[in-house]
Amino acid sequence: GQQLNQSPQSMFIQEGEDVSMNCTSSSIFNTWLWYKQDPGEGPVLLIALYKAGELTSNGRLTAQFGITRKDSFLNISASIPSDVGIYFCAGQLVGSGNTGKLIFGQGTTLQVKP
Amino acid sequence: DAMVIQNPRYQVTQFGKPVTLSCSQTLNHNVMYWYQQKSSQAPKLLFHYYDKDFNNEADTPDNFQSRRPNTSFCFLDIRSPGLGDAAMYLCATRGGRSAAGVETQYFGPGTRLLVL
Repeated sequence: GQQLNQSPQSMFIQEGEDVSMNCTSSSIFNTWLWYKQDPGEGPVLLIALYKAGELTSNGRLTAQFGITRKDSFLNISASIPSDVGIYFCAGQLVGSGNTGKLIFGQGTTLQVKP
Repeated sequence: DAMVIQNPRYQVTQFGKPVTLSCSQTLNHNVMYWYQQKSSQAPKLLFHYYDKDFNNEADTPDNFQSRRPNTSFCFLDIRSPGLGDAAMYLCATRGGRSAAGVETQYFGPGTRLLVL
C-alpha cells in the first residue's frame, strides 16, 4: 500500500535550535497536512498545503509542498519547550476522490531541552 | 470552543463487554472518521461516513461497528473488546473549504480505551 516515509523518527534538541523534518513518498499527493499531537490528546492541525511548491508559515512554523508532489517538509524555528510532542505528516493521494482519506507518516517525536 | 467533541475521554471496559464511544461535532461537516491509534504509532483509519454513506476499511475487524444517526453525532461500537483493542480512538471530521477549495480534516481529543 501507499506509504509516507517520515524522518527523523525522533529528535532531542536544545531550546532555541531550529528543527527540520520531512516526509517523502513514491506516490503523488494533492494535499499535505502537518499535525502535532501532545500526549493523551488528538492531533492538532498546524499547516495545510494544497499546491505543489506552496510555502506556508504559521508563526515559527514553515512547511512546503514539494514541487514533485511527493514530499513535504516542516521547519520549526527557535524551538521552545512547548514544541515537545509528536509531529505527523499526512497526505491525501491524487485520485482518492471525495473520501479525503489520509495517509500518515510514522511521526517524529520532538524533545526540547530547556 | 470545542469543535469535535469526544466522550468520555477515558473508558474502561471488561474483556468481551460491549462498549460505545461517542463523537459529536459543531462544524456541520459532512464527513466523519474513526481512527484507532496505538502507542507511538500513527492513527489507523477504521471507517468513515460521507453523509449517511458508510465506508469500511478492508482490514477493519467485524468487531468494530459504527452508527451515525445525524450530521452531528457518530458512534463507535466495539462488540466484544479484546485486550488488543486497548488504544486511543480518534474521531475526525472533514469540511470547511480553504481558499484553495480543498477540505481539511480536524481531530477530536480522543477517547483512551482500557480493556481489563
